[in-house]
Amino acid sequence: KAGVTQTPRYLIKTRGQQVTLSCSPISGHRSVSWYQQTPGQGLQFLFEYFSETQRNKGNFPGRFSGRQFSNSRSEMNVSTLELGDSALYLCASSFSGPTMNTEAFFGQGTRLTVV
Amino acid sequence: GENVEQHPSTLSVQEGDSAVIKCTYSDSASNYFPWYKQELGKRPQLIIDIRSNVGEKKDQRIAVTLNKTAKHFSLHITETQPEDSAVYFCAASPKRGSTLGRLYFGRGTQLTVWP
Repeated sequence: KAGVTQTPRYLIKTRGQQVTLSCSPISGHRSVSWYQQTPGQGLQFLFEYFSETQRNKGNFPGRFSGRQFSNSRSEMNVSTLELGDSALYLCASSFSGPTMNTEAFFGQGTRLTVV
Repeated sequence: GENVEQHPSTLSVQEGDSAVIKCTYSDSASNYFPWYKQELGKRPQLIIDIRSNVGEKKDQRIAVTLNKTAKHFSLHITETQPEDSAVYFCAASPKRGSTLGRLYFGRGTQLTVWP
């Protein structure tokens, strides 16, 4: 069974640009969550999608957005990049459900560097 | 919202000794508590989890205990080996419709096992 796949693995962007990251969950998983990981702040929750609907949102500015497609693949977009957006962006997929939490498995992440 | 505190932030042990990492949570609605291990440059990997209807769970050298009354849970690693060296994250997930699918992470513990 294939794991969670994130593309691209590495990105270098300049300030002001926008970027789109992609996440393909484990087959059969309907929930995809996104986290930002930085040395100083740990794992910060961005948002979670379940069956194409955003179910949860963290405390990030509106420059951070996401979506989920009917095949459960998800994308996140960051517009008007700032230096502080440099981080490892991780997505996690889980089977989840309307009333229960299940194991979440992470992708290898996309390392974004903003210069 | 949920708040997860993790201690210690760093832990050094001799090979063969035991290691204990402790976490506390604030939301009594949390009912799912996973632990992740992240080696340098790699994705967080789920190593063990526990649900609120269970007080203890064991998997070979790893065990997790949960005290719902005190709102704390702990990871125990026995007979540590150098390959156990990594950052360990605890997390909590409330069973509440508005937060399903979201994991609240502790800040992580850097475990170093010396040969």
